[in-house]
Amino acid sequence: LAKTTQPISMDSYEGQEVNITCSHNNIATNDYITWYQQFPSQGPRFIIQGYKTKVTNEVASLFIPADRKSSTLSLPRVSLSDTAVYYCLVGLDSNYQLIWGAGTKLIIKP
Amino acid sequence: SQTIHQWPATLVQPVGSPLSLECTVEGTSNPNLYWYRQAAGRGLQLLFYSVGIGQISSEVPQNLSASRPQDRQFILSSKKLLLSDSGFYLCAWSKSGGRQETQYFGPGTRLLVL
Repeated sequence: LAKTTQPISMDSYEGQEVNITCSHNNIATNDYITWYQQFPSQGPRFIIQGYKTKVTNEVASLFIPADRKSSTLSLPRVSLSDTAVYYCLVGLDSNYQLIWGAGTKLIIKP
Repeated sequence: SQTIHQWPATLVQPVGSPLSLECTVEGTSNPNLYWYRQAAGRGLQLLFYSVGIGQISSEVPQNLSASRPQDRQFILSSKKLLLSDSGFYLCAWSKSGGRQETQYFGPGTRLLVL
């Protein structure tokens, strides 16, 4: 049974780089990894998506090792406004399942 | 550009009363539509998804039902609410295609069942 696992919470400080790792041991060949950010009382917002190796956009990077059993969301130089819950999602094309992680509550301190 | 609307924003309902939450999407055609529930301080639970009008798949057995009467309209219903139905209900859409498509979430409806 596919499952995604991520840390419940993390703390960091303004200006630091933050890395949040998600494990997805049963990921299949055609499955993508997506990360979302959620602020309180709002819907989640797309951050980044990847399939393998490294993907970078204007807000984050996503590192996926060759075995694809985990992925790491990297937020460079975080600010207080990055305090949020971050979700890892694996979309299983094989059976149209969506496997959401339980979310990582990231708290950024001044 | 595409937008997604949900209403109402908040709702307080007595146990045993019916429920109807509505979600509409603008600016796209034939989207995949999703209903999620989020209990306080918890993660996202996918309730229903739809790939087309009248096509509804349920992810978990529950006291709720969903309907898609029009291409860009998704409705979440219940005949009799339970206390455990309280939560934050989120509607989302994605382009038609596989499960890797990015989902775009609405503002949510906070439901409190008393």
